[in-house]
Amino acid sequence: ETGVTQTPRHLVMGMTNKKSLKCEQHLGHNAMYWYKQSAKKPLELMFVYNFKEQTENNSVPSRFSPECPNSSHLFLHLHTLQPEDSALYLCASSFSGTGDKNTQYFGPGTRLTVL
Amino acid sequence: DQQVKQNSPSLSVQEGRISILNCDYTNSMFDYFLWYKKYPAEGPTFLISISSIKDKNEDGRFTVFLNKSAKHLSLHIVPSQPGDSAVYFCAASANFGNEKLTFGTGTRLTIIP
Repeated sequence: ETGVTQTPRHLVMGMTNKKSLKCEQHLGHNAMYWYKQSAKKPLELMFVYNFKEQTENNSVPSRFSPECPNSSHLFLHLHTLQPEDSALYLCASSFSGTGDKNTQYFGPGTRLTVL
Repeated sequence: DQQVKQNSPSLSVQEGRISILNCDYTNSMFDYFLWYKKYPAEGPTFLISISSIKDKNEDGRFTVFLNKSAKHLSLHIVPSQPGDSAVYFCAASANFGNEKLTFGTGTRLTIIP
């Protein structure tokens, strides 16, 4: 596998379920990101991890819980979601720092539907 | 409050002609700008970037122009090819490309053979 992978690609869950999204990067990066893309809205940054430490939480509700066990893996744990949380969830990775080195590479996304 | 705006949701261009995608921003702290391209069922792919110290950056068929006074940037693709049909996102950040990117809503480009 190369680049940034995400599993599952599609997920349907009820509001009382608990599920997790997984992201893995094979690029040797040290920063990882979760984004949300709702219909007709821009990509919204949710969380940023640098060297496994969370450096950004963009006012995300606590029903979304990220976990970064190492620089290659990132999880998003979901519980008691609402139908309006249905969206495309994208993971990205990059090197830390500024400029061209910090170009973010995205995974294919997980299409989440909350019933 | 949308800080990065792509006012054209869609654009159709004849193959071989120039495609021009536009983006406006409101935050004067933005100093690094990127264009991403997205095919269906795939994540966005980085295309080209420009920092505020330049007004033009070119990479093959792709050129990005930055007009700081107008807070406007554009992506030119010439000549346009069928494989360029995709959704194009403009993104911006402060502090010369730190991790916090702000995205526009995207423009769907269709190249007509």
